[in-house]
Amino acid sequence: GAVVSQHPSWVICKSGTSVKIECRSLDFQATTMFWYRQFPKKSLMLMATSNEGSKATYEQGVEKDKFLINHASLTLSTLTVTSAHPEDSSFYICSAEVRSSYEQYFGPGTRLTVT
Amino acid sequence: GQQLNQSPQSMFIQEGEDVSMNCTSSSIFNTWLWYKQDPGEGPVLLIALYKAGELTSNGRLTAQFGITRKDSFLNISASIPSDVGIYFCGGGSNYKLTFGKGTLLTVNP
Repeated sequence: GAVVSQHPSWVICKSGTSVKIECRSLDFQATTMFWYRQFPKKSLMLMATSNEGSKATYEQGVEKDKFLINHASLTLSTLTVTSAHPEDSSFYICSAEVRSSYEQYFGPGTRLTVT
Repeated sequence: GQQLNQSPQSMFIQEGEDVSMNCTSSSIFNTWLWYKQDPGEGPVLLIALYKAGELTSNGRLTAQFGITRKDSFLNISASIPSDVGIYFCGGGSNYKLTFGKGTLLTVNP
């Protein structure tokens, strides 16, 4: 149980375009999902907390207009990187929380490369 | 914000050896979780701890929630090559997890 999928697994886009990443909890309902960014050989940096049916809560320093998050259902959250630039290239990982337990189950990640 | 100090940063061991890593903080946490991440993949939850002093095992893995709620350790016994990866601790409070910087484990067959 507690499986989280992410799509796409990798994407290459041109500078100035927007990219949408989907995160789905496959076998449980997730009121809360999280979006992380990870640089090579670095830890997980929380970008935002996504709550179903309400606005996401962004961490300090994360531009909410650049990283749009939508949590339209209990099994789906999306992250849209708008007007992507090369510095947005990174590994983006989502997670879904089980029953407000702090237990987060992670998706396999999305490798974004902006050229 | 809250910070976790995870050590060691990396370890090189021989197959069969035991491994220990830990996380400490000046902050109190309600939960401690340990994850393993393989290259290019998302972290996988290994053990979750919810009570100060709690000692929990998952196969060859054992983790403890420190009595002060400010630290946790993870032990791996009789390591095998597939234990290779990055291990992260996560401290839970204020409805989110704070992660350590990870311990890179290399196991030589």
